[in-house]
Amino acid sequence: QSVLTQPPSASGTPGQRVPISCSGSTSNIGTNHVFWYQQFPGTAPKLLIYRNSQRPSGVPDRFSGSKSDTSASLAISGLRSEDEADYYCAAWDDSLSAWVFGGGTKLTVL
Amino acid sequence: QVQLQESGPGLVKPSETLSLTCIVSGDSVSSGGSYWGWIRQPPGKGLEWIGYMHHSGSANYNPSLKSRVTLSFDTSKNQFSLKLSAVTAADTAVYYCARDRKYDYNDYGVDYWGQGTLVTVSS
Repeated sequence: QSVLTQPPSASGTPGQRVPISCSGSTSNIGTNHVFWYQQFPGTAPKLLIYRNSQRPSGVPDRFSGSKSDTSASLAISGLRSEDEADYYCAAWDDSLSAWVFGGGTKLTVL
Repeated sequence: QVQLQESGPGLVKPSETLSLTCIVSGDSVSSGGSYWGWIRQPPGKGLEWIGYMHHSGSANYNPSLKSRVTLSFDTSKNQFSLKLSAVTAADTAVYYCARDRKYDYNDYGVDYWGQGTLVTVSS
């Protein structure tokens, strides 16, 4: 059971906008920044969004992040087949003094 | 460009100690504000943070693993290590080393990951 809650799956057709939610509590998302990672099968996770909404160099602006209270969301617009991957949210938890992750969302491009 | 590379045995017997090393290039583990640590992923499952440490001696661990985890630096080789004792089959996972970058005061986040190494616990 993950501390942060994500839907196990999401899907969309090419060109669509797909949101992925991440729900937490006041001790993690409510207090600290949220990070998002993209992971393809057999590879390491890659930083996609940091500090709630900032994109590292090289990440397309089709990817955007937002946070409100104890929830966060990753949105992928102009969906492409190469976006098919697992997506994880993460935040520092002040109560646990530990990084906590969501269980991951498998994105399928139909 | 920061790069991290894990190394260590791919097979460990139950009750023994898992030992992994992460060699870093493009950054120094002995200076700067970054923490250095480990994250694991059991086959087909999600990510689990193990712990991280700073060259100053500051460290934090996953409460569920804290009693079995030892982290250390070898600054002469710009690398850091993980030891996980008394392993069981539940510790079978891909282990990633990672950099926890400092963005601001008390504001960190994992930005670079190693490629990961699969460790299987089995007799």
